[in-house]
Amino acid sequence: DTEVTQTPKHLVMGMTNKKSLKCEQHMGHRAMYWYKQKAKKPPELMFVYSYEKLSINESVPSRFSPECPNSSLLNLHLHALQPEDSALYLCASSQAAIYNEQFFGPGTRLTVL
Amino acid sequence: QKEVEQDPGPLSVPEGAIVSLNCTYSNSAFQYFMWYRQYSRKGPELLMYTYSSGNKEDGRFTAQVDKSSKYISLFIRDSQPSDSATYLCAIAGYSTLTFGKGTMLLVSP
Repeated sequence: DTEVTQTPKHLVMGMTNKKSLKCEQHMGHRAMYWYKQKAKKPPELMFVYSYEKLSINESVPSRFSPECPNSSLLNLHLHALQPEDSALYLCASSQAAIYNEQFFGPGTRLTVL
Repeated sequence: QKEVEQDPGPLSVPEGAIVSLNCTYSNSAFQYFMWYRQYSRKGPELLMYTYSSGNKEDGRFTAQVDKSSKYISLFIRDSQPSDSATYLCAIAGYSTLTFGKGTMLLVSP
């Protein structure tokens, strides 16, 4: 099973809302990632968790707050977003954070009004 | 110079053609190479993963790595309309992937 699941598939939120994106994998992977992807651009790394600890934050604004409750779950909490944050948010996982191939989920399409 | 260069296309071919997709990279420390396929509005799907120079084959797909030239390729044999997608090369550094811009492939019936 090489599946990463993400919920919800689509999300529309206002600039004052608080919402969360969820990601789950059951492959026993110990590294999980959040990416942001704009149309016709490659995915852009936001955060890396390794063994449930945040190891990389690519200077992401604090209105995005990641959380890794356990080795299978990854959340991204959203608050006071801007319209330019509208994008496809992708979760990925890999066996370990070092050089391993990453498996991506289907993404959450976020629209900020 | 960008770390990974990839022609964005689009690349249009007829069904049954052999497709060649390519990337060049600048950092000789890169050791691990991946190709992803991404359909419109979906997540990237891992197609091939390799870490050595030479060829790796999987069905209609062949990944080729030439570390001396810092050049990687993906060949698709007998291309099908269902292969129409964006193909992203990705090169692994410590904990991170560096993606090419992606090449859009259109296979016409």
